[in-house]
This record gives sequence, structure tokens and C-alpha cells, in this order.
Amino acid sequence: QFQIVQSGAEVKKPGASVKVSCKTSGSTFTPYSIHWVRQAPGQSLEWMGWIHSDTGKTGYSEKFQGRLSITRDTSASTTYMQLNSLRSADTAVYYCARSHLGGGFDPWGQGSLVTVSS
Amino acid sequence: EIVLTQSPGTLSLSPGERATLSCRASQSINNNYLAWYQQKFGQPPRLLIYGASSRATDIPDRFDGSGSGTDFTLTISRLKPEDFAVYYCHQYNSSPHTFGGGTRVDSK
Repeated sequence: QFQIVQSGAEVKKPGASVKVSCKTSGSTFTPYSIHWVRQAPGQSLEWMGWIHSDTGKTGYSEKFQGRLSITRDTSASTTYMQLNSLRSADTAVYYCARSHLGGGFDPWGQGSLVTVSS
Repeated sequence: EIVLTQSPGTLSLSPGERATLSCRASQSINNNYLAWYQQKFGQPPRLLIYGASSRATDIPDRFDGSGSGTDFTLTISRLKPEDFAVYYCHQYNSSPHTFGGGTRVDSK
């Protein structure tokens, strides 16, 4: 069974960077993408970007262009999301999720809370 | 960017009642590339429906997705206590992916 485990909570100061990891395990017979989605407190979900498991190709929401980097380490079955120049509005739970073969995202990681505060 | 508008914002119902949730898109979603998720407090979203009407693995048949183009509906035929949660629609037809603002289904 495919599973995802994310890294723990982080507290960062404005202007700093954060790097969240997303470790996958379990068998999969088809290539897939890992997507990153964030959720600010009490808010809806916001898609940030994705990376393909095989090719490493990435795509980003224009909102985060220049600040966001998604990378992978295939040997460690881990994907990383780095967000730079953090501001208080970046305080959110950050989720990674696998693309579901039929569409949508499934499963999701448990989420990583990133708090940006001076 | 495709904007998804969900209504109502909150639905107050009793167990056993029928819930009808709406998701309207600002432009047509080709190939019905629309999903629905359930989210409970402190948990990640759970995929319920993909392709507008296909149930994900282990999702009970009381959850039914329908619609096409710009209008989509999630129906929960007979609410169970575990169904009280927030529901989001998600379009993956075009980049950026977008989500609706959510509908909260709570107990009357």
C-alpha cells in the first residue's frame, strides 16, 4: 500500500526559507506525480506545484514562481518542497499528495505545519 | 485560472437526511476533470470522487458525484454521523489546479 510521511512542524522567521520533505513507500506500477498543496488556518486548499516521479519534471503555480522549488531524491524515495522569502501569510499546513491514476490526489501526507513569525 | 465556487457555505442537516453540495466553475472543465474531497478537523483531505462521478477506493455508494461542463454536484444520500465534515471540489483540467472554498456539513 502506497504511503506518504512528511517531516515535522517548523517555525521560521520572516525572510527565511523552509524545506519540507515527503517520503513515499509502497509499490506502484505506474509513474506518478507528487503535488504540494497548502492550507492556511481556517482556509481552503491552495495548489502550489508538482514533480514527476520518473522524469523530475516540475510545474509551479505562477503565484509562487521564483520562491518555490520542488525537488526529489529517487534513492531516498523523498520529495522536497522549499519555499523562500517566507512571510506571515505563508503560515499554513503544507501537504504533499500523489496523483491518483483516475484523477485527483490520493493518498495525502499527514501535513506539515509551517509557522512564520518574528 | 478556473475559479470554483461552492454552495452553500454551510449545510445543517440531521443523520439520515440527504445532502446536496454544488460546485460551479468559472469556465468549462474539459473531460470532467473534477474531484471531491472530504476533510475532517486535523486530518488531510480524503479523495471521494474523481472524474466528476467515479468513486475512489472504499468510498461508500451513498456518495454520488454528477455534473459536467461548469456545474457539478456531490450528493450524500443518507448522512451518517461520520459524514459531518468539510467538502472541497478540485479541478485538475488546467494549471493552476484550483479548489473550491468548501462546504461545511454539520449536524443540526
